[in-house]
Amino acid sequence: GAVVSQHPSRVICKSGTSVKIECRSLDFQATTMFWYRQFPKQSLMLMATSNEGSKATYEQGVEKDKFLINHASLTLSTLTVTSAHPEDSSFYICSARDVAENQETQYFGPGTRLLVL
Amino acid sequence: SQQGEEDPQALSIQEGENATMNCSYKTSINNLQWYRQNSGRGLVHLILIRSNEREKHSGRLRVTLDTSKKSSSLLITASRAADTASYFCATDEGSNFNKFYFGSGTKLNVKP
Repeated sequence: GAVVSQHPSRVICKSGTSVKIECRSLDFQATTMFWYRQFPKQSLMLMATSNEGSKATYEQGVEKDKFLINHASLTLSTLTVTSAHPEDSSFYICSARDVAENQETQYFGPGTRLLVL
Repeated sequence: SQQGEEDPQALSIQEGENATMNCSYKTSINNLQWYRQNSGRGLVHLILIRSNEREKHSGRLRVTLDTSKKSSSLLITASRAADTASYFCATDEGSNFNKFYFGSGTKLNVKP
């Protein structure tokens, strides 16, 4: 099946720094990728839809200036958590939709665990 | 918001027993999907059921969908210790296939 990778798998940073998380579709092209956040023992919350070559669309309540998304190619989307604070500590998961497949299917990455000290 | 609810929040059973998890959602959908997540890991897709389907099987999994009640259930038969994980349902937004909204999840513990 299609594979989506994320890098890094975990990151620890100091408060105030910015952290970039990469999401790559390894064997397919993805015009659309999605970013989710999951707090401990909670469900996944959709943060934003990343569109190749255009601006991301954010869900209500998600600060676009806080969570910068760039989808510069058909296989890579990046999420940058700017000026991270301890409350941004979470598990961030991306997913990607294969342009060659139907719209029903999303392939999920393994997630990135962010800890802000 | 489409975000759904699942019950029970947690379920503990003995190996060999069946496990049933339920999911409810709020608005119309095109399809509903079930995913599994081992602790601290990514998601594994289990099964998809479309809005015009009522029941679907895949191995030891049986999924039902009742669009009139806006609910779905996932049955795992003859459970194994390796089935221990969190299970989430995900629905799309009726007018937008793209977006997935996840239920609150059921944490299943299968005791050997």
